[in-house]
Amino acid sequence: EDKVVQSPLSLVVHEGDTVTLNCSYEVTNFRSLLWYKQEKKAPTFLFMLTSSGIEKKSGRLSSILDKKELFSILNITATQTGDSAVYLCAVIIQGAQKLVFGQGTRLTINP
Amino acid sequence: NAGVMQNPRHLVRRRGQEARLRCSPMKGHSHVYWYRQLPEEGLKFMVYLQKENIIDESGMPKERFSAEFPKEGPSILRIQQVVRGDSAAYFCASSPDTDLRNTEAFFGQGTRLTVV
Repeated sequence: EDKVVQSPLSLVVHEGDTVTLNCSYEVTNFRSLLWYKQEKKAPTFLFMLTSSGIEKKSGRLSSILDKKELFSILNITATQTGDSAVYLCAVIIQGAQKLVFGQGTRLTINP
Repeated sequence: NAGVMQNPRHLVRRRGQEARLRCSPMKGHSHVYWYRQLPEEGLKFMVYLQKENIIDESGMPKERFSAEFPKEGPSILRIQQVVRGDSAAYFCASSPDTDLRNTEAFFGQGTRLTVV
């Protein structure tokens, strides 16, 4: 069965800290990995990673994929209270039109 | 261009009633996906539809659940004879006509179903 596992499940840090969120996967036929941020309701897209070792960056957020070790990390530097959210990792299976999600990491940034 | 619209946002049903959840995809999108999110869990794929066709329903429970995406109107996820375990947030996503790339699968705000 295709599986995506995120860690930690929950993380509380102070504003200004740097955090690293982890996502590992075991799937039959990997195509891409995606990161989403979920605040109150709808998940919003952050990154899609298809190739190993190429860092994607957007402001204070960055992410990288390791296809040999089957994991990805999402880094957030200089965290702000607005970064508080659930961060979801999902994998697209080759040939299937669906996302397999991990259980999410709940990140809380305290002022 | 309005985003993916789901309604209602909140739905309360008694056990045994029917729940109908609606999803209007973004303009120009003809691919619709339904996901379910149980409390403190990630989203679980339920069904993928194109106009008038169910393409992949591998995540749909075998009984009581059905989905449609008619030629005109929104996609509907229908749950008959609801039970407490159906309480969850149901998200719809849509993507464009030309090619299914999940980076362009935009999510709606979700419908939170509570079965009492």
